[in-house]
Amino acid sequence: NAGVTQTPKFRVLKTGQSMTLLCAQDMNHEYMYWYRQDPGMGLRLIHYSVGEGTTAKGEVPDGYNVSRLKKQNFLLGLESAAPSQTSVYFCASSRRQANEKLFFGSGTQLSVL
Amino acid sequence: SQKIEQNSEALNIQEGKTATLTCNYTNYSPAYLQWYRQDPGRGPVFLLLIRENEKEKRKERLKVTFDTTLKQSLFHITASQPADSATYLCALDRGGSYIPTFGRGTSLIVHP
Repeated sequence: NAGVTQTPKFRVLKTGQSMTLLCAQDMNHEYMYWYRQDPGMGLRLIHYSVGEGTTAKGEVPDGYNVSRLKKQNFLLGLESAAPSQTSVYFCASSRRQANEKLFFGSGTQLSVL
Repeated sequence: SQKIEQNSEALNIQEGKTATLTCNYTNYSPAYLQWYRQDPGRGPVFLLLIRENEKEKRKERLKVTFDTTLKQSLFHITASQPADSATYLCALDRGGSYIPTFGRGTSLIVHP
């Protein structure tokens, strides 16, 4: 089982460039999430989705956009990258039930110069 | 404001001892609390979940307690091994939300 797959694994951007991070899950999960993890800050929720075609803002949504056109995919976009967006990005998914555990991808290391 | 606090200092213990990690929270009324393990360069992996009406949960060498009066969860690893060295994260829901919020994690280092 692939579980949650994130692409790319590493990326270096220049300030102002745009990019899209792709997350794919093969577990038929309803919920999907994008977190960023910075040293000393822990995991912070950027955006999440409770189903195909729906998205919602998390704790730190500014500078990011997301789309969930297909149930298995959740895209995170940076329209104009800034050095403050240098981070490790994790995608996760879960079933649509309370108390459900999250399954995480292996992360994307993004550096914005 | 809502806070989830985990000890930012690494916990160093000797192999064979019991490791105890703490997760404190304020201004939350969680229905459940989860613990995850994260190895360097990897995503977090789920370990245990405990509900608000449960005092204790066990899984092999792992034990979690949940005290809603103290607003605290303790995570124990008995007979610790160097392979247990990792960062451990607690996560709890925002009272009725299915969306968990994570603590910053505590690094555990088990010395042989």
